[in-house]
Amino acid sequence: SQKIEQNSEALNIQEGKTATLTCNYTNYSPAYLQWYRQDPGRGPVFLLLIRENEKEKRKERLKVTFDTTLKQSLFHITASQPADSATYLCALEPPGGFKTIFGAGTRLFVKA
Amino acid sequence: KAGVTQTPRYLIKTRGQQVTLSCSPISGHRSVSWYQQTPGQGLQFLFEYFSETQRNKGNFPGRFSGRQFSNSRSEMNVSTLELGDSALYLCASSVKGVGEQYFGPGTRLTVT
Repeated sequence: SQKIEQNSEALNIQEGKTATLTCNYTNYSPAYLQWYRQDPGRGPVFLLLIRENEKEKRKERLKVTFDTTLKQSLFHITASQPADSATYLCALEPPGGFKTIFGAGTRLFVKA
Repeated sequence: KAGVTQTPRYLIKTRGQQVTLSCSPISGHRSVSWYQQTPGQGLQFLFEYFSETQRNKGNFPGRFSGRQFSNSRSEMNVSTLELGDSALYLCASSVKGVGEQYFGPGTRLTVT
């Protein structure tokens, strides 16, 4: 079955630096991959979706890359701010559709 | 446009009881998915409904069931509650059930 691996250790970075989070998946390559942000006690918030034929996608300070050969996606937050501190979840949809599998998430702490 | 709403927000039940949770999707969204989130297992897919039909389900026992109404509102039911059912239950809506999803605030269920 499809598995998603995200760094279980928290990522601590200094304000202003670039945070880079990794998402690795096994088995098949999905048609697209998504990233969500989740704050404690709240539902995830959709951030970005990248398709298999796209290498990179940007939205403001966010950038996502998708390497289907490595079966990996990287999520970057440039000029990070303390308000970016949250858990970031990677998600994909297996064949057959209508079902989304989420990674365990990586906690990001941005220090002022 | 109003977001996804879930009721109730908090619930305390006793082992053996049953519970019904409700989700109202974003207007125009016909797909509703349900997830269970626990610290140990992360975000786990329960089932997805589109136009009153369940199109996919996760690996949960039959005690977990759901339904969707003609106005796209959805309910999930858990019968014979167990202590391990304590979790944050999230619902998410999307236009077609693929791609980006919009999550509600969740229902925090505690089983004692």
